[in-house]
Amino acid sequence: NAGVTQTPKFQVLKTGQSMTLQCAQDMNHNSMYWYRQDPGMGLRLIYYSASEGTTDKGEVPNGYNVSRLNKREFSLRLESAAPSQTSVYFCASRDPGQGLETQYFGPGTRLLVL
Amino acid sequence: QKEVEQDPGPLSVPEGAIVSLNCTYSNSAFQYFMWYRQYSRKGPELLMYTYSSGNKEDGRFTAQVDKSSKYISLFIRDSQPSDSATYLCAMRGYSGAGSYQLTFGKGTKLSVIP
Repeated sequence: NAGVTQTPKFQVLKTGQSMTLQCAQDMNHNSMYWYRQDPGMGLRLIYYSASEGTTDKGEVPNGYNVSRLNKREFSLRLESAAPSQTSVYFCASRDPGQGLETQYFGPGTRLLVL
Repeated sequence: QKEVEQDPGPLSVPEGAIVSLNCTYSNSAFQYFMWYRQYSRKGPELLMYTYSSGNKEDGRFTAQVDKSSKYISLFIRDSQPSDSATYLCAMRGYSGAGSYQLTFGKGTKLSVIP
């Protein structure tokens, strides 16, 4: 049981390049989330998916797109990376039987945009 | 004013000390209050949560909520070097259309010195 996995662990991009961050969970959770964590800013929600086939914007969605490929996988895409998107990105999932507070986080993807 | 304020520290204490971590908030609609622990280069993991005002104890950890003062605390007794981590407070708020979101504090970095 791997929990929440994220790939890649680390990535360097040049401004204007695109990339997709991958997230998968093997806990049969319905809800999945993408956060970014910046020094002095805390965790901020980018997008979430309450269930397969649905996605909604969070606090900071600009510059990102998401795809809920199936129940297991939720990807985050940067179409044209900007230095302001340098951050650590965390994916999380939530058990439908638990409250929103029981979110399980992945290990994170560190992204540097030059 | 941000909805959730948390002193980022860093906080350094000797092994065996009692640690007090705190957050204040401005949104009176918050009802669930959580503490996450995040080790360096790892994802956050849920430590404890409480509903509304009161105390909750789990081993060496005690979470306290004072809704009248909009103030929450996490106490760690007999602190250990393994407690060295960043502690994030989080609160659940209603974001509309039957959806709830978590708002995180910036995190307090704690070091317990042997």
